[in-house]
Amino acid sequence: ILNVEQSPQSLHVQEGDSTNFTCSFPSSNFYALHWYRWETAKSPEALFVMTLNGDEKKKGRISATLNTKEGYSYLYIKGSQPEDSATYLCAPDSNYQLIWGAGTKLIIKP
Amino acid sequence: NAGVTQTPKFRILKIGQSMTLQCTQDMNHNYMYWYRQDPGMGLKLIYYSVGAGITDKGEVPNGYNVSRSTTEDFPLRLELAAPSQTSVYFCASSLTSGRQSYNEQFFGPGTRLTVL
Repeated sequence: ILNVEQSPQSLHVQEGDSTNFTCSFPSSNFYALHWYRWETAKSPEALFVMTLNGDEKKKGRISATLNTKEGYSYLYIKGSQPEDSATYLCAPDSNYQLIWGAGTKLIIKP
Repeated sequence: NAGVTQTPKFRILKIGQSMTLQCTQDMNHNYMYWYRQDPGMGLKLIYYSVGAGITDKGEVPNGYNVSRSTTEDFPLRLELAAPSQTSVYFCASSLTSGRQSYNEQFFGPGTRLTVL
């Protein structure tokens, strides 16, 4: 079973500022790295699925990078908006199962 | 498409009671999953299924049972409810999984279960 760590656990960011947070995991035995966005009272929704070392994905103001050799991924949010407030989950895909981190809870202050 | 639907949304059980959490998807996905989510913890996989008639245990299967008689449905059964099973339960589905492809999982709205 992989041990997935996300940091920080929670983060308060001023509206308009950019921010980033980390997902770290053992660098072997995984096939892909998933990022999900989970708004309060809703269900997790997929942001990115990343498969290659050096892979970089972008969706609007949100982007992510992956370093498979050292076992980490960063999620970046540029110019934070109130609608970015959510918990961001990462999950390495290992042996047909996703192993979920506990998430980073992002709160955007107006 | 309705996506992944779950019923009920909320339920309170007494210790020792049993119940079935229903999950249905209309996306013709092969893979389906049951997770539980406890405060401050990541999603924990209870059971998963790679197709009709095939199920397998996840990380925390004790106290639960599943069946997959059709592609669409994947019910989760609690036989003797215990306070430790108080949690939010999510059902999810994906088209495929593993290294052949890297499909995202689609989640249902969740069932909040309290065992008293």
